[in-house]
Amino acid sequence: AQTVTQSQPEMSVQEAETVTLSCTYDTSESDYYLFWYKQPPSRQMILVIRQEAYKQQNATENRFSVNFQKAAKSFSLKISDSQLGDAAMYFCASTDSWGKLQFGAGTQVVVTP
Amino acid sequence: DVKVTQSSRYLVKRTGEKVFLECVQDMDHENMFWYRQDPGLGLRLIYFSYDVKMKEKGDIPEGYSVSREKKERFSLILESASTNQTSMYLCASSSIGGRHEKLFFGSGTQLSVL
Repeated sequence: AQTVTQSQPEMSVQEAETVTLSCTYDTSESDYYLFWYKQPPSRQMILVIRQEAYKQQNATENRFSVNFQKAAKSFSLKISDSQLGDAAMYFCASTDSWGKLQFGAGTQVVVTP
Repeated sequence: DVKVTQSSRYLVKRTGEKVFLECVQDMDHENMFWYRQDPGLGLRLIYFSYDVKMKEKGDIPEGYSVSREKKERFSLILESASTNQTSMYLCASSSIGGRHEKLFFGSGTQLSVL
């Protein structure tokens, strides 16, 4: 069984600053993917970034980057140059071989002007 | 623009009622999922389907059933709604490509059972 743990219920960041969201996971899969999804107040889930476990290079999408530590089973998300539109709930997730996602509890990101 | 459409954004039902939550996707996806979202618990998988007329239990299937008669439609059924089923319900779909495929989500149905 997979488990995903997000230990930060809420994180606050000022505009233009950087914030890092933590995520740890546990899986018995040998090949898996890790994801960060964003859920703004509209409730529409949006894929932020994904990482294949076999790739050592950390994934990057514009201002979003991950720090993937496979041995430690850690998958943190860094948001650089934070913008008001980044305010949302962020979910970390891992997938099994069938594509089923296991989600963490979520971290609410608050962006202050 | 690809879409996953959930029939209701807000729904209020009474205890004991039979409730149908409908989800339709227009991407010809094989996989469809129903998740339940609760504060502090994240999203939990209720049921999923990899093909028409096929269904598999997720992590919390008790009190729920599903139906998939057509590829594009996946229905979640609460046979006898209870107050502890008050929650946000999210439908999602993905193609059959495998573990790397991202999920496309609907906008959710906030269900209140009184």
